[in-house]
Amino acid sequence: KNQVEQSPQSLIILEGKNCTLQCNYTVSPFSNLRWYKQDTGRGPVSLTIMTFSENTKSNGRYTATLDADTKQSSLHITASQLSDSASYICVVSAVRNNDMRFGAGTRLTVKP
Amino acid sequence: GAVVSQHPSWVICKSGTSVKIECRSLDFQATTMFWYRQFPKQSLMLMATSNEGSKATYEQGVEKDKFLINHASLTLSTLTVTSAHPEDSSFYICSAARGGYEQYFGPGTRLTVT
Repeated sequence: KNQVEQSPQSLIILEGKNCTLQCNYTVSPFSNLRWYKQDTGRGPVSLTIMTFSENTKSNGRYTATLDADTKQSSLHITASQLSDSASYICVVSAVRNNDMRFGAGTRLTVKP
Repeated sequence: GAVVSQHPSWVICKSGTSVKIECRSLDFQATTMFWYRQFPKQSLMLMATSNEGSKATYEQGVEKDKFLINHASLTLSTLTVTSAHPEDSSFYICSAARGGYEQYFGPGTRLTVT
């Protein structure tokens, strides 16, 4: 069983709408959680990084939350744009920094 | 800052030949570089981790004699796929870290083995 589970697997929304992506993890001991955006055929680009003590972090229209007690994170996208169409990957690291666990990603499609 | 490049961006090779992919950190020195493989509609799978001047650490199931990694300097790592076969066709992505939590990913290299 993957230690990082993302939902939904895919999502289609209309331009201008908001959406929330979920990430549940079992990685322990927890070090940090990152959200990446990956366009098709490109490498991932970092959106947010959160450590244990942080429960919210924003980057423009992207807002990530973290509940270290329940081991859940969410990525909220506000006022979606066509360019938001991509895969969003949740990555959780254990205390040993090289030990990163990747979620399978959520494929978001924003339609006009 | 923190730009990582890969070359080539795509390559097509014949079965049995070897292919080298370069990963460079353009504006910082990377203490550690990582190589990932990604199949269609799947997430990234870590292949190996390398530190400059030392041997790479391979993940379980990754053949070190097939995927040769050379981390020659703090700004350059290479991945050579030896005796490539069609099942090696994939999207190969490198990332570089300069300490701390952040990894900076390259744009990826699409390898197609015919």
